[in-house]
Amino acid sequence: DAGVTQSPTHLIKTRGQHVTLRCSPISGHKSVSWYQQVLGQGPQFIFQYYEKEERGRGNFPDRFSARQFPNYSSELNVNALLLGDSALYLCASVRDIGDEQFFGPGTRLTVL
Amino acid sequence: AQSVTQPDIHITVSEGASLELRCNYSYGATPYLFWYVQSPGQGLQLLLKYFSGDTLVQGIKGFEAEFKRSQSSFNQRKPSVHWSDAAEYFCAVGMDSSYKLIFGSGTRLLVRP
Repeated sequence: DAGVTQSPTHLIKTRGQHVTLRCSPISGHKSVSWYQQVLGQGPQFIFQYYEKEERGRGNFPDRFSARQFPNYSSELNVNALLLGDSALYLCASVRDIGDEQFFGPGTRLTVL
Repeated sequence: AQSVTQPDIHITVSEGASLELRCNYSYGATPYLFWYVQSPGQGLQLLLKYFSGDTLVQGIKGFEAEFKRSQSSFNQRKPSVHWSDAAEYFCAVGMDSSYKLIFGSGTRLLVRP
């Protein structure tokens, strides 16, 4: 079975631009979480969606938004990019509440 | 405040030597505890987890971890390190395994031949 897939692999943007990152969960998984991993730090929780509803949100500004589609894939949107948004963005999928999170390889975003 | 501390940023061991990775946490309730490994260009892979029961848990790749409530610690060990174990290791806590995880800043393991 395919694991969690994320696209694109790498992305370069300039300050002020907008970016959309995509995640496809493992088949049969209903929940997707997004994490931001800045270089030299551990991942930080941004959002979780379960059955297309937001289940939780981390301490991130409103420039960050996400949604989950009927096929359970998800998009993370970031508006008005700042240099500090440069990071590896990880997506994790979960079959159901209480199950293990499986992480994708991430999207490396560089903001110049 | 909920937090995870991994006091060692880097650890270097010789192949075949034993390894201990340290993790301390602060969490209001009894948390789920996890160790993940991250290799370059790859996502996080779960090595082991603990919530209740035997405080010594066995994981994949020969890793084990011990929960010590009195010390708020969840240290991970491996008796004999292989060159392929070189990676970054993250300790994490959460209210359950499927929701928001709080990660430490990681420990980078280097293995000498």
